[in-house]
Amino acid sequence: SQQGEEDPQALSIQEGENATMNCSYKTSINNLQWYRQNSGRGLVHLILIRSNEREKHSGRLRVTLDTSKKSSSLLITASRAADTASYFCAFYNFNKFYFGSGTKLNVKP
Amino acid sequence: NAGVTQTPKFRVLKTGQSMTLLCAQDMNHEYMYWYRQDPGMGLRLIHYSVGEGTTAKGEVPDGYNVSRLKKQNFLLGLESAAPSQTSVYFCASRPGATGGGLQPQHFGDGTRLSIL
Repeated sequence: SQQGEEDPQALSIQEGENATMNCSYKTSINNLQWYRQNSGRGLVHLILIRSNEREKHSGRLRVTLDTSKKSSSLLITASRAADTASYFCAFYNFNKFYFGSGTKLNVKP
Repeated sequence: NAGVTQTPKFRVLKTGQSMTLLCAQDMNHEYMYWYRQDPGMGLRLIHYSVGEGTTAKGEVPDGYNVSRLKKQNFLLGLESAAPSQTSVYFCASRPGATGGGLQPQHFGDGTRLSIL
């Protein structure tokens, strides 16, 4: 399987703290994307990083990509209770997207 | 401005029954995808389409068929449902204007399917 792996599987933090989740993959990629899924809903795109980029920012989100280690990380700074959701990485290869197993984030108010 | 709409939202089937899941998008997107999501796992690609009249197999295509007769619709069929197909099914679409998968996917809210 070309699916990615994410860790941790679950993360529980206090509001205001930072949350970091990691994604690893096995194949070469064109780009890597991060998605968020609220309970009972579909996935929503957060941020995309191309294979020739090392870091990207969007608001409170920071994504890094290390293609030599085939890994990426998503940092959410100053977390809020509304950030509680599952987060998935997805990488693109030949018309197909492969998703990681997800990190379930719980932000306690 | 509906985006991606999946029908039905919930369904319970008996083993051996057949059904069709409908995905409709109003964004004029070229690419459409069907995924399944099982507990503790990420999404796995079942089938996808790169344009009207085209379909292709994903990671887990066995037991499913698809059709894309109209650009805005992508149908997923289960000919003879099995308990292993109990899952949440998600449809997604994205533009096809540029290559490399740079456009994000837009997801529906899923169809929860139970097969007894």
